[in-house]
Amino acid sequence: TQLLEQSPQFLSIQEGENLTVYCNSSSVFSSLQWYRQEPGEGPVLLVTVVTGGEVKKLKRLTFQFGDARKDSSLHITAAQPGDTGLYLCAGTGGGADGLTFGKGTHLIIQP
Amino acid sequence: DAGITQSPRYKITETGRQVTLMCHQTWSHSYMFWYRQDLGHGLRLIYYSAAADITDKGEVPDGYVVSRSKTENFPLTLESATRSQTSVYFCASSGKYYNEQFFGPGTRLTVL
Repeated sequence: TQLLEQSPQFLSIQEGENLTVYCNSSSVFSSLQWYRQEPGEGPVLLVTVVTGGEVKKLKRLTFQFGDARKDSSLHITAAQPGDTGLYLCAGTGGGADGLTFGKGTHLIIQP
Repeated sequence: DAGITQSPRYKITETGRQVTLMCHQTWSHSYMFWYRQDLGHGLRLIYYSAAADITDKGEVPDGYVVSRSKTENFPLTLESATRSQTSVYFCASSGKYYNEQFFGPGTRLTVL
């Protein structure tokens, strides 16, 4: 069974600070995704990374896939209250299976 | 409207009753999935379907039944609901490739 460990589980910081969320596994994933979920809603896809070492940017969010495709990170620069939410990493090991999700990072950005 | 919808959004039922959660997508995606989300466990895959009439078990399939007679619909049935099935259920669809999934708004189910 593939597992994804996310850290930290909870993070509360002030507006304008930078932060990094980590997603680690002992398994190799063919692709890895980051989702953001707000209360009462379903997860919304932010990005997909496929190639080892790949870096993708989405405005103030930077996503990196580890060289061995076993881990990923999400870095937010100058966090804003609108970034508040649950951030989930999810991986695909191949085949027609669904996604394996980490348990998420609850992020609160205080004004 | 295009997208993925779930119904009902909220459901309260009693132990032992049969409950069916509905999921409908308008993208004609081949793949559809059911997950449950619980505190401490995150999102876990219940069942998935690669196409009409093709379904397979996920991580936590016990107590659930699915069917997929049409590409756009993927209902999830709890044959005899138990309290441990109290959860938020999410349906998702994917065009596969990198398995990028699009989620519905969820159904919050409470089993008394």
